[in-house]
Amino acid sequence: AQSVTQLGSHVSVSEGALVLLRCNYSSSVPPYLFWYVQYPNQGLQLLLKYTTGATLVKGINGFEAEFKKSETSFHLTKPSAHMSDAAEYFCAVSAQGAQKLVFGQGTRLTINP
Amino acid sequence: DGGITQSPKYLFRKEGQNVTLSCEQNLNHDAMYWYRQDPGQGLRLIYYSQIVNDFQKGDIAEGYSVSREKKESFPLTVTSAQKNPTAFYLCASSEVGPRTGTDTQYFGPGTRLTVL
Repeated sequence: AQSVTQLGSHVSVSEGALVLLRCNYSSSVPPYLFWYVQYPNQGLQLLLKYTTGATLVKGINGFEAEFKKSETSFHLTKPSAHMSDAAEYFCAVSAQGAQKLVFGQGTRLTINP
Repeated sequence: DGGITQSPKYLFRKEGQNVTLSCEQNLNHDAMYWYRQDPGQGLRLIYYSQIVNDFQKGDIAEGYSVSREKKESFPLTVTSAQKNPTAFYLCASSEVGPRTGTDTQYFGPGTRLTVL
């Protein structure tokens, strides 16, 4: 069985500050890990994903995430927040070759001017 | 442009009525999914289909039904047996995992269903 925990349902940062959204997962098999972003009343857009290989993954809009197996974590970061980053972010996990994604509860990111 | 379309964007239903949500994709993906999203609960899987004429229940299938008669289409029916159907419904599709090794799911824009 797999599960995802996103620490903090709501994160608030100032424009230009570091963004850090935390995700820890549980998986009995090597995981595939994903971050999605959702703007109000819209679908989910893929930010980045980890499957195999390099543990530091770069995505769209300046976001990146690092897979740390020893810590079972896949935290999302961005060096400098922009007002347009305000949205809800979801971490998800699947097993290699499996079809089912398991999502975290989501973290709402607010950017203060 | 390739993508996933869902219709309608907003849907209102009276209690006791069945309603069908449309999902169409032109990405040539084999697998399609339906999720329900409620505030503070993330996304929960309702049904998924890996191939035409076959589908499996997800975690919260009670009160819902689906069909997969065409590769491009995966409609979801919310029946009167679903006791709390007001939610945001998201459809997704992906290539079949073992062939691509990635399992990336791509999402439609969603349908917001409100029961009056």
